[in-house]
Amino acid sequence: GAGVSQTPSNKVTEKGKYVELRCDPISGHTALYWYRQSLGQGPEFLIYFQGTGAADDSGLPNDRFFAVRPEGSVSTLKIQRTERGDSAVYLCASSRQGVGETQYFGPGTRLLVL
Amino acid sequence: SQQGEEDPQALSIQEGENATMNCSYKTSINNLQWYRQNSGRGLVHLILIRSNEREKHSGRLRVTLDTSKKSSSLLITASRAADTASYFCATDARETSGSRLTFGEGTQLTVNP
Repeated sequence: GAGVSQTPSNKVTEKGKYVELRCDPISGHTALYWYRQSLGQGPEFLIYFQGTGAADDSGLPNDRFFAVRPEGSVSTLKIQRTERGDSAVYLCASSRQGVGETQYFGPGTRLLVL
Repeated sequence: SQQGEEDPQALSIQEGENATMNCSYKTSINNLQWYRQNSGRGLVHLILIRSNEREKHSGRLRVTLDTSKKSSSLLITASRAADTASYFCATDARETSGSRLTFGEGTQLTVNP
């Protein structure tokens, strides 16, 4: 089937606004991950879902960041009161069950906060 | 903190030559994965090597893993211009749950036609 998809591809917003980024994992994959990648850096882990629950959210930088996966499939990353430092590419990945498996990445959402 | 560190940061070679990239890490791992990224967007998975494996091949790619030295290498043979990309190693640390990956900063490979 299709790979991991993310929408929108690009998002431009103003400082202080709220944004939502969406991830559609590969069908049947129970594990879902969000990463953030700044220019010239490798991706950094944000949060990991196993099914509907956030099994590890230790990578979220602060309480302005929140993610949900209510039905164990699609996930939404929510950023409140955006700051210029939030500008980055937000990557989503999924794997079949999680532990020790290949993670398949989506194309990412490029967020620019003006 | 970043665990994987790639070396070199940038590599420029001619088409047909081999390219070798290295990765070092700090903690015990379940596995190590190599990814390719074009133009700062989605990562393409290349190879996963488990901690009990020493070498793996896939087409023109060869990956080695030395857990005693906490290092891995990615060899691309007979390189092509289309191999131009950033290459990242990512480790799945044994003490973390759910296989969160820790990435290095990557090696930018340029293959000149």
